Amino acid sequence: GEDVEQSLFLSVREGDSSVINCTYTDSSSTYLYWYKQEPGAGLQLLTYIFSNMDMKQDQRLTVLLNKKDKHLSLRIADTQTGDSAIYFCAGFSGNTGKLIFGQGTTLQVKP
Amino acid sequence: DSGVTQTPKHLITATGQRVTLRCSPRSGDLSVYWYQQSLDQGLQFLIQYYNGEERAKGNILERFSAQQFPDLHSELNLSSLELGDSALYFCASSVGRGGTEAFFGQGTRLTVV
Repeated sequence: GEDVEQSLFLSVREGDSSVINCTYTDSSSTYLYWYKQEPGAGLQLLTYIFSNMDMKQDQRLTVLLNKKDKHLSLRIADTQTGDSAIYFCAGFSGNTGKLIFGQGTTLQVKP
Repeated sequence: DSGVTQTPKHLITATGQRVTLRCSPRSGDLSVYWYQQSLDQGLQFLIQYYNGEERAKGNILERFSAQQFPDLHSELNLSSLELGDSALYFCASSVGRGGTEAFFGQGTRLTVV
């Protein structure tokens, strides 16, 4: 089946690194995504990784993929108060054609 | 601005009524996805269309229906509305059938009273 799970809440201090974790069950997931949702706004695509990659870095963002464990993480370096938002992990299933989202992780950044 | 346009932004209606939500995808995108976001259910995939045809179906109620028109815009019809249908409804679009970046609109906030 298709399921994507995330922890619901993470609190960090400004300047620290944040690591948001995600697990997925669908082994046919070919693409995995991270989206950011600020209060009252839509979902903004942050980054994505193909299933044949282990890591992708994009400025302050680093995505790590452990395909064996079906575990995805998003690391935000030097976290800023403007990074406070809900972060969604999503997986695209090549079998079903569905893009399935986790419940979202609320990131709170304290000054 | 993602390039995906949803109208209306807000909608308040009574139980039992029917509403239509509209989505215009980014220029060149052939796929449209619909999602429902509520506080207790998170972001639920409803349905996807690709170039006018239904591509994938999620947890869409029978009271809900959608279609994608020849000009690629899509409409989500919600009928016999219940209080529990109050939610944010998002549309997203992508170039291909899936697996490419999906860009989201700002959503339509539906309140059923």
